[in-house]
Amino acid sequence: AQSVTQLGSHVSVSEGALVLLRCNYSSSVPPYLFWYVQYPNQGLQLLLKYTTGATLVKGINGFEAEFKKSETSFHLTKPSAHMSDAAEYFCAVTFSGGYNKLIFGAGTRLAVHP
Amino acid sequence: DAGVIQSPRHEVTEMGQEVTLRCKPISGHDYLFWYRQTMMRGLELLIYFNNNVPIDDSGMPEDRFSAKMPNASFSTLKIQPSEPRDSAVYFCASSKAALDYGYTFGSGTRLTVV
Repeated sequence: AQSVTQLGSHVSVSEGALVLLRCNYSSSVPPYLFWYVQYPNQGLQLLLKYTTGATLVKGINGFEAEFKKSETSFHLTKPSAHMSDAAEYFCAVTFSGGYNKLIFGAGTRLAVHP
Repeated sequence: DAGVIQSPRHEVTEMGQEVTLRCKPISGHDYLFWYRQTMMRGLELLIYFNNNVPIDDSGMPEDRFSAKMPNASFSTLKIQPSEPRDSAVYFCASSKAALDYGYTFGSGTRLTVV
């Protein structure tokens, strides 16, 4: 069965600092991996995705993530945090033939301090 | 493109009443998903449809919950009778058949059962 673990339910960084949100997955077949962001009182918005090909993927708002099969990880990073990045971030996994059914992690709330 | 449209945005109802949540997916999307989000349980997939047909309803909590998709442009999630523990944010999402597209989420319905 597939699953996703997000390490750290809360992460706090200073404005301008590196953002690192951790995601590890479990899948017996090649995974498709996603990061979503949720701003207060809004739905989830797709940040980036990995399906096949290049393992370093770039998304919106300066975020990127790297698929590391050997570590079963798909960590999200951003070189310099901005106040507007404060939100909740969700990692999700599925696989080809998974009938589009995404399994979400528990989420990581990112706080950005001046 | 107006995105996924959910109504109402907020619903407050008394215990025992029937509640109907509505969703209009993006035109051309073949999949529709209903999720529930709570602090305690995070994002839970309740049910999803492919080409208007329910595929997996294993996440529906109990018989009080039902969902329908009478056509490609409309879906409902009904709770009858409602209970205080049903209080949550309910999200609808849609996607194309190719998973590369990811999900598009609506803004959610915040349900409060008093």
